[in-house]
Amino acid sequence: DVKVTQSSRYLVKRTGEKVFLECVQDMDHENMFWYRQDPGLGLRLIYFSYDVKMKEKGDIPEGYSVSREKKERFSLILESASTNQTSMYLCASSSKSGRLLLTDPSSYNEQFFGPGTRLTVL
Amino acid sequence: SQKIEQNSEALNIQEGKTATLTCNYTNYSPAYLQWYRQDPGRGPVFLLLIRENEKEKRKERLKVTFDTTLKQSLFHITASQPADSATYLCALRGGYNKLIFGAGTRLAVHP
Repeated sequence: DVKVTQSSRYLVKRTGEKVFLECVQDMDHENMFWYRQDPGLGLRLIYFSYDVKMKEKGDIPEGYSVSREKKERFSLILESASTNQTSMYLCASSSKSGRLLLTDPSSYNEQFFGPGTRLTVL
Repeated sequence: SQKIEQNSEALNIQEGKTATLTCNYTNYSPAYLQWYRQDPGRGPVFLLLIRENEKEKRKERLKVTFDTTLKQSLFHITASQPADSATYLCALRGGYNKLIFGAGTRLAVHP
């Protein structure tokens, strides 16, 4: 059974603290993603990584950084937590697609999600 | 800018009826569209994928249509059950290896 795990289900931190969220996948996926989910706004991409040590900014990277030292692990770092970073954080992974092949279902990037971390910043 | 819209109001239906959820998009020409299910406090789970050259896809009680002219996908659950109650998200290919998600529509199936 494929799995994406996240280090904590619930986390409470204080403003200004440095926060680490860890994500591990056991599917040997190349791609890993960090999203935050807020009511009415849906899933918003923070950062993603398509290979070890590679990262790209998503739609809302401000206030966050990431680290991918090993293929199976992708960490999200809040350098100095603020109250507006209170949210549900979701990690996901997917296999890499080369050219999009209409005859190859494996190229369609189904994403596998972890259970989420509900972070509260006080 | 690219936009994905799903009905933000919850859909309430009676058990046994067909639930129909809508996903509309603008300024976008996706090669495929995916639907996910999300239960409270959990991560989304992939359900179905439909490609731009497919009009309809079925999986057990689920059916998805994709109209690239209307820029719309419809997601149907036939013979709905209370266990189908969840939030359903649509997602479109947002570039190499990335997806763009809608905000989701909550479905409540009442006995």
